[in-house]
Amino acid sequence: GAGVSQSPRYKVAKRGQDVALRCDPISGHVSLFWYQQALGQGPEFLTYFQNEAQLDKSGLPSDRFFAERPEGSVSTLKIQRTQQEDSAVYLCASSLSGGGNQPQHFGDGTRLSIL
Amino acid sequence: SQELEQSPQSLIVQEGKNLTINCTSSKTLYGLYWYKQKYGEGLIFLMMLQKGGEEKSHEKITAKLDEKKQQSSLHITASQPSHAGIYLCGAAYTGTASKLTFGTGTRLQVTL
Repeated sequence: GAGVSQSPRYKVAKRGQDVALRCDPISGHVSLFWYQQALGQGPEFLTYFQNEAQLDKSGLPSDRFFAERPEGSVSTLKIQRTQQEDSAVYLCASSLSGGGNQPQHFGDGTRLSIL
Repeated sequence: SQELEQSPQSLIVQEGKNLTINCTSSKTLYGLYWYKQKYGEGLIFLMMLQKGGEEKSHEKITAKLDEKKQQSSLHITASQPSHAGIYLCGAAYTGTASKLTFGTGTRLQVTL
């Protein structure tokens, strides 16, 4: 399809394990965003890339969270030494450009459960 | 987010009735986005508003931006079961316009 693709859709991990979540943005979209959505809440911003440059990572909750987009296309969000409070839906979005002038288009998310 | 308040939190309307959802920002808006989310799915983009007084419509959904009040409203006319879901407003603010701050959402149920 032509939309934002995220994998896996569901991930269950034991506390302390590392996880990696993948995002394939819409082809040609320069900007890529990661959000975290807790149950019953709106998404909360984690980090933003323009091409391969990570321009804003102010929303990453701790140094256990790391995101990369090495070739300016696919992005990976990695969480090390997972904790139960990391359980949430992780949403990826992409837009033609940054700056708030273009809508962000979202993937279906990865639902992460930490046991 | 406390910067962005949505009301009501939930709404149950009978099919065919009109409804309005409000989104109020405590800070000056650069842009305001409306999304719809179904359980277990991502956000579907509905509309983007950037200018005060701007009004946009798509099918039976109309959104307006009141710049003075820093408020946006989403109005659905003659609601249908397909309108059910969670409606989220997302705000872009000057200086941090690349990231969106979301409200907690309005859960809409449409009864037959």
